Amino acid sequence: EADIYQTPRYLVIGTGKKITLECSQTMGHDKMYWYQQDPGMELHLIHYSYGVNSTEKGDLSSESTVSRIRTEHFPLTLESARPSHTSQYLCASSELRTGDTGELFFGEGSRLTVL
Amino acid sequence: AQSVTQLDSQVPVFEEAPVELRCNYSSSVSVYLFWYVQYPNQGLQLLLKYLSGSTLVKGINGFEAEFNKSQTSFHLRKPSVHISDTAEYFCAVRETQGGSEKLVFGKGTKLTVNP
Repeated sequence: EADIYQTPRYLVIGTGKKITLECSQTMGHDKMYWYQQDPGMELHLIHYSYGVNSTEKGDLSSESTVSRIRTEHFPLTLESARPSHTSQYLCASSELRTGDTGELFFGEGSRLTVL
Repeated sequence: AQSVTQLDSQVPVFEEAPVELRCNYSSSVSVYLFWYVQYPNQGLQLLLKYLSGSTLVKGINGFEAEFNKSQTSFHLRKPSVHISDTAEYFCAVRETQGGSEKLVFGKGTKLTVNP
């Protein structure tokens, strides 16, 4: 049973607001990821982290930022939300060790709507 | 860079019928392959994975997939589906590039099981 939690599950906000999507995992995984999911499209990697104080941008350019101050916590922030940021954001984690398979454990997602 | 093609965006079937969801990947080198399922309003859950060895992989909920290296395919099958199998299914391949690893996902196939 995966133990990775995302809050809020649903968020509707106005343009220009600052938002933070929270992601926490209790599995002690070093690797954490944020994917953006739109209907009928691939999941696109927007950020990842291999451990504390490590963050990298993914394949899809995103105006969001992330931080990794604690192993279990990987929040995503949008300083000024716009309608183009409307999407589902999925957080995931995996183990970091030699020979790991890369299997990801996902949270339930945060669906963001910007009006 | 790796890519994953899921040939069918939607697959409607009747309950107790067999189903095959198709997936092709681009890599010609050794790969790790995955199928994930996403039920409505939930995150992704691992169905099965191919790492090495037997080309027929069995997963949860009665699903299985066959790795075919010559055709670069990893099709998902179930001999008899249930209403509860209605969900979106994602094929993914692990990519290693520049020292970083990530999963590359297809666009998903929406399976609808009708009574």
